[in-house]
Amino acid sequence: GQSLEQPSEVTAVEGAIVQINCTYQTSGFYGLSWYQQHDGGAPTFLSYNGLDGLEETGRFSSFLSRSDSYGYLLLQELQMKDSASYFCALSGAGSYQLTFGKGTKLSVIP
Amino acid sequence: NAGVTQTPKFQVLKTGQSMTLQCAQDMNHNSMYWYRQDPGMGLRLIYYSASEGTTDKGEVPNGYNVSRLNKREFSLRLESAAPSQTSVYFCASLGGPGGETQYFGPGTRLLVL
Repeated sequence: GQSLEQPSEVTAVEGAIVQINCTYQTSGFYGLSWYQQHDGGAPTFLSYNGLDGLEETGRFSSFLSRSDSYGYLLLQELQMKDSASYFCALSGAGSYQLTFGKGTKLSVIP
Repeated sequence: NAGVTQTPKFQVLKTGQSMTLQCAQDMNHNSMYWYRQDPGMGLRLIYYSASEGTTDKGEVPNGYNVSRLNKREFSLRLESAAPSQTSVYFCASLGGPGGETQYFGPGTRLLVL
């Protein structure tokens, strides 16, 4: 099976940078994805790492190290609207399934 | 494009009642999924359909059945609802430039009394 661990809560100041870590255990996978979910809303896709290294999309960057079984999501220039839950998810090898972590609730404070 | 749509948005059932949650996507995606989300548990896969005509169990399939009616529609059925099935249910489809993005519907909030 697959399992992912991420911090349950993170608090950061508006305008600052925050990193949300994700460690995982798996026997094989295609890649690591990140999703954002605001309270009462649906998850929305943020980023995908199929290869090791850094992927940058505007204020958001995501990183994957397969050798360390580790990834992170980096949010820069935090805004109040970034307050949400963030989920890392593994794409299973040989299937189309996603296995999600339990999510990190980010609170951005003034 | 409407993306992924789900009906109903809210539902209250009594224990033992049955219901079907509907999901449709207009993005011509092959793969579709049903998840449930409970507080502190993240999203857990119930069933998925890699393509029209195929369905497979996910992590938590017990108490549910699915039908891939056609390429657009993927329904989830609760035959005899239990309080443990109180949850928020999300449908998703797989697309994106590299086929790595899941697009989620707005969710169905289900309360089983």
